[in-house]
Amino acid sequence: DVKVTQSSRYLVKRTGEKVFLECVQDMDHENMFWYRQDPGLGLRLIYFSYDVKMKEKGDIPEGYSVSREKKERFSLILESASTNQTSMYLCASNPGGQGGMTEAFFGQGTRLTVV
Amino acid sequence: GIQVEQSPPDLILQEGANSTLRCNFSDSVNNLQWFHQNPWGQLINLFYIPSGTKQNGRLSATTVATERYSLLYISSSQTTDSGVYFCAVVSRGYSGGGADGLTFGKGTHLIIQP
Repeated sequence: DVKVTQSSRYLVKRTGEKVFLECVQDMDHENMFWYRQDPGLGLRLIYFSYDVKMKEKGDIPEGYSVSREKKERFSLILESASTNQTSMYLCASNPGGQGGMTEAFFGQGTRLTVV
Repeated sequence: GIQVEQSPPDLILQEGANSTLRCNFSDSVNNLQWFHQNPWGQLINLFYIPSGTKQNGRLSATTVATERYSLLYISSSQTTDSGVYFCAVVSRGYSGGGADGLTFGKGTHLIIQP
């Protein structure tokens, strides 16, 4: 079974802190993604990566950066956390290729609260 | 970009009832997935179904790609079926370069009462 693991289930940080959300997948997937989920807004794509050290902005990249130094690990970075970044963050991966016709799998989610 | 609409937004049923959840999308798709979000927030894969029909136990799904919709059927509902069901797609307009992020609908919030 594909396993996507996020480092924390719950996280509380202070405004202005630098925050790292870590995600690891164990199936040698090419593509990895970070989404955030907010009530009334649904799930929105923040950033994605299609190869080591390669990254692309999604729909809402402002205030975030990412790092992919190894194929299995994709980190989301909040350079200076703000209260409007309080949200549920979900990491996903898929094998890639085949014109988008591959199944994505999600981690368990991280509920981040910025106070 | 592609639009994904799910209906109904909320559904309350008694245990044992059957239900049909609908997903409409505005453009041709290469990929369509159904997920169930559990109470802890994790998205559980139900079906990968860009076209055709699949069944898994009490759940089944049908995607009619030419008419741009998909249906998720839940039979003999149980309280553990409660939660939010999401449909997500990758547009066929996806060029093949880079990665293929999913576009999600807003979900159907299903409550199964004992």
